[in-house]
Parts: sequence; structure tokens; C-alpha cells
Amino acid sequence: GQQLNQSPQSMFIQEGEDVSMNCTSSSIFNTWLWYKQDPGEGPVLLIALYKAGELTSNGRLTAQFGITRKDSFLNISASIPSDVGIYFCAGLHGSSNTGKLIFGQGTTLQVKP
Amino acid sequence: SQTIHQWPATLVQPVGSPLSLECTVEGTSNPNLYWYRQAAGRGLQLLFYSVGIGQISSEVPQNLSASRPQDRQFILSSKKLLLSDSGFYLCAWSWGGNPYNEQFFGPGTRLTVL
Repeated sequence: GQQLNQSPQSMFIQEGEDVSMNCTSSSIFNTWLWYKQDPGEGPVLLIALYKAGELTSNGRLTAQFGITRKDSFLNISASIPSDVGIYFCAGLHGSSNTGKLIFGQGTTLQVKP
Repeated sequence: SQTIHQWPATLVQPVGSPLSLECTVEGTSNPNLYWYRQAAGRGLQLLFYSVGIGQISSEVPQNLSASRPQDRQFILSSKKLLLSDSGFYLCAWSWGGNPYNEQFFGPGTRLTVL
């Protein structure tokens, strides 16, 4: 089936550092979503992107929809311990009201105080 | 506002026993509904989705089935559980007819099959 390549698979950083992760695909997406999942909980939507080139921020988080529509990145500035978790990208092909998302495999972030 | 509930939160079942997990959504009408399974805390696998009452699409062949008896209720079932059915089961919803399909997840059910 279709897959998104999400990298890095895991990161271990010092509190205060900036973080960057990305997703790439061999096919074009019309929507990119970024989620965060805390241990034992459901993923929470962080940022949604709808247009190629779009750059959107949510507090210390910034995400961009790649110009080629085949990639997206998420940056976290000045990381804090509560940023710990698994971050997932997800993409949607076309414009469909069934909207089956394709998920990346996740980036596990650990922050050392 | 919209909320999504799942129960039970955790479940331990013997191999061969039946399963019923429930998901309900409040605060919206005619949502799209989804069941995912997540193994080992990574990788969401779409199992079923539904765009309306009684309408179920299966994504992968498996030991599980889904039903949507009411507009905002989605049920995941099995007649006989396998060890490989263990995992974290997530229900999600999105706005019906929404072409951009932001999906919103429930809190999940941790299933352990022994």
C-alpha cells in the first residue's frame, strides 16, 4: 500500500533545542496533517496544511506544505519536556469526502531537561 | 463542541473469546468514522471506515468486523480473538463531506489477548 517516509525515526535532544522532522512521498498529496501522540492516548491534531507552499504556525510549532506537494516538514522551536511524544504526518490524496489518510511511521521525540 | 468516546479503555481477553469495542461521537451529525490499530506505539493501520449508517468499508482482510448501527456509533467486533489482535485500537471521526478530512481521534482502547 501507499506509504509516507517519515524521518527521523527518533530524536533525543536537550531542552531548548530546535527540532525538525519531515515526511516525503512518491505521489502528490492535497492535504498534509501533523499529529502528536502522548503515551497511551490518541493522536491530537497539531497543524493542517491545504496548499502547496503553505507555512503555518501553532505556537512553537511550524509546518510547511512542500512546493512539489510530495513533502512536508514540522519544526518545533525551543523544545520543552512536554514536547515528548510521537509525531505523525498524514497525507490525503485528492479531494474525497471519505478522506482516507496515509500516515507516516512516526518520529519519537525525547527531550532531556 | 465535538467529543469522541471509546470504551473500554483497557481490555484483557483470552484467545478465542469475542470482542466488542464501542466508539461514539457527540456534537456532530453524519460524521465519517474510522477504526485504526496501532502496534507497539507506532504506525497507524486503517482497519475500517464508514461514511454513513450501515456503510462499512474494510481496508485489510482480518479477524475483525465493524458495524455502524447509529449515525454516531461505530463498533469493532470479533467472534474469536487471536493473539495477533492485541494492540491499541483508535477510533476517529471527520466531518462528513469534508474534502480535506482532518481526523480527530478518540482516547483509544488497549487490547491484550492472552
